[in-house]
Amino acid sequence: GAVVSQHPSWVICKSGTSVKIECRSLDFQATTMFWYRQFPKQSLMLMATSNEGSKATYEQGVEKDKFLINHASLTLSTLTVTSAHPEDSSFYICSARLGIWGYTFGSGTRLTVV
Amino acid sequence: QKEVEQNSGPLSVPEGAIASLNCTYSDRVSQSFFWYRQYSGKSPELIMSIYSNGDKEDGRFTAQLNKASQYVSLLIRDSQPSDSATYLCAPGADGLTFGKGTHLIIQP
Repeated sequence: GAVVSQHPSWVICKSGTSVKIECRSLDFQATTMFWYRQFPKQSLMLMATSNEGSKATYEQGVEKDKFLINHASLTLSTLTVTSAHPEDSSFYICSARLGIWGYTFGSGTRLTVV
Repeated sequence: QKEVEQNSGPLSVPEGAIASLNCTYSDRVSQSFFWYRQYSGKSPELIMSIYSNGDKEDGRFTAQLNKASQYVSLLIRDSQPSDSATYLCAPGADGLTFGKGTHLIIQP
């Protein structure tokens, strides 16, 4: 089946540093990738939608200069959390659309900013 | 603003019984609907998708859709302890708007 590989699965970084999260579609081409954030005991919140070769579309309230998304190829999308702060600690998940068959999710990245 | 409403639970069901999960949504444009299961600390996994009014069965799972009422449900028959998880409803257009999910507990 279609698999999205997400790395790293967890990361701890110091406040003020940047962290890059990668999502790769392994056996299909992901024209569109969605990025979500999930805080403890809350639902997934869509942060942004990235389309290969164009600028990402950010949801209201999400800082585009803080959460940099790059979707340079049909198999790779990256999310960079710049100048991370403790309030950015969360579970970040990417997802790719599989046409009418729904969406497939990466395994998620647990970010802890200390 | 798209909204998805689910009873957050926890919903406790004895092992072997039927678990019934409900969801209402506000976006009338949505044509596809998905149920995802999420274990604690893991990413969601697709359980069922449904596109037409009525019932769709897949093994122990049955999804029911009523577009006129903007309502979608998921029935889990012969509930197993491994079914204990949070179940997320998502009407899907571009991206997915998730409900907060229903926390299901299957009691052995």
